[in-house]
Amino acid sequence: DGGITQSPKYLFRKEGQNVTLSCEQNLNHDAMYWYRQDPGQGLRLIYYSQIVNDFQKGDIAEGYSVSREKKESFPLTVTSAQKNPTAFYLCASSGTGGLGYEQYFGPGTRLTVT
Amino acid sequence: GDSVTQMEGPVTLSEEAFLTINCTYTATGYPSLFWYVQYPGEGLQLLLKATKADDKGSNKGFEATYRKETTSFHLEKGSVQVSDSAVYFCALRGYNNNDMRFGAGTRLTVKP
Repeated sequence: DGGITQSPKYLFRKEGQNVTLSCEQNLNHDAMYWYRQDPGQGLRLIYYSQIVNDFQKGDIAEGYSVSREKKESFPLTVTSAQKNPTAFYLCASSGTGGLGYEQYFGPGTRLTVT
Repeated sequence: GDSVTQMEGPVTLSEEAFLTINCTYTATGYPSLFWYVQYPGEGLQLLLKATKADDKGSNKGFEATYRKETTSFHLEKGSVQVSDSAVYFCALRGYNNNDMRFGAGTRLTVKP
């Protein structure tokens, strides 16, 4: 079955620690995305990548970093510089170019930093 | 830049009521339009989409028509069920643009 996996589903960290969220897809999609969702809020784009070894900042990239060494994988690191990291993080992927390519989402990782 | 505005919630309906969630967009050119649904604690699932003017997307009894003249993509369902309780997001993707813009989401609660 093709899809996107995110692990773990719940993650707890102490303030000041960096933490890496995993995202893997087997849909053979070129583009991958990371979003942040806060309670009762919409989605805000953190980073996206349209091809291996290339990525761009989204609307709220400060305090986050990513890498794209493989087509299937797009891990997100939440650094200690992120002022308010507790949130629900969603990874997505899509085809590229032309019309109609929807984004497919993973199940999300809920990060709690205390 | 491209943007989506959808009606604020929450929306509370009784089972079998008619549902409309309004969505309007601002975009250059001819974007593709989408509705996603999110159940508690889960990721977003594509509900339906439309890629050109006058297209109607439909799935699971939900429908939405791409209206270029009113820049709208309103979601409708004739008879909602308790299981439709979720958050609904309207989204657009610009032509030749891999970025997607989401509305703020509308929480729907259906009571038996």
